[in-house]
Amino acid sequence: GAGVSQSPSNKVTEKGKDVELRCDPISGHTALYWYRQSLGQGLEFLIYFQGNSAPDKSGLPSDRFSAERTGGSVSTLTIQRTQQEDSAVYLCASSLVGAVQETQYFGPGTRLLVL
Amino acid sequence: GQQVMQIPQYQHVQEGEDFTTYCNSSTTLSNIQWYKQRPGGHPVFLIQLVKSGEVKKQKRLTFQFGEAKKNSSLHITATQTTDVGTYFCLVGGSNYKLTFGKGTLLTVNP
Repeated sequence: GAGVSQSPSNKVTEKGKDVELRCDPISGHTALYWYRQSLGQGLEFLIYFQGNSAPDKSGLPSDRFSAERTGGSVSTLTIQRTQQEDSAVYLCASSLVGAVQETQYFGPGTRLLVL
Repeated sequence: GQQVMQIPQYQHVQEGEDFTTYCNSSTTLSNIQWYKQRPGGHPVFLIQLVKSGEVKKQKRLTFQFGEAKKNSSLHITATQTTDVGTYFCLVGGSNYKLTFGKGTLLTVNP
């Protein structure tokens, strides 16, 4: 079916506001990853979901960041009380079962700008 | 967590010149993947290496995995303007933990 989709594609918000970013993984993929990419930088791992297991939240930069994955499919990354340093591209990727040797398929990303 | 160093950070070449980027780890890797990200785009999978000493080719691209499975390289022969982008390695450790290298930004002067 279709690839990984993310929405919105762009988001401009004011400092202190909350934002929600959505990721629709490839149908049938049980593993889902969130990454953050600041301008000109590499990909920073945020969080990993695999099936019904507890997510690996080890990459979340602060307690203002949280993520959910309902029904094992769609995931939402929430950033509360946004700060200017949260401005980045947030990328979602999915893979079939989350094995290290699987290809990750990336969505187009959400470009977040915090003013 | 897994540490991986990718060099160089930037590389500018004239069209037709060769280009190489390297990923190095202090620990043995289970596998390594390479991704390309065009400017303004998202990472796209290129290839995966699993076996010690493995070499794979895709047209002008040659990928190598070191004998000790601690380093890897991506070599582009006779670069073209379409090769422009950032090349990332993604390494796997002993479990599902995955780490991206910081990437090498390649620019090509026509």
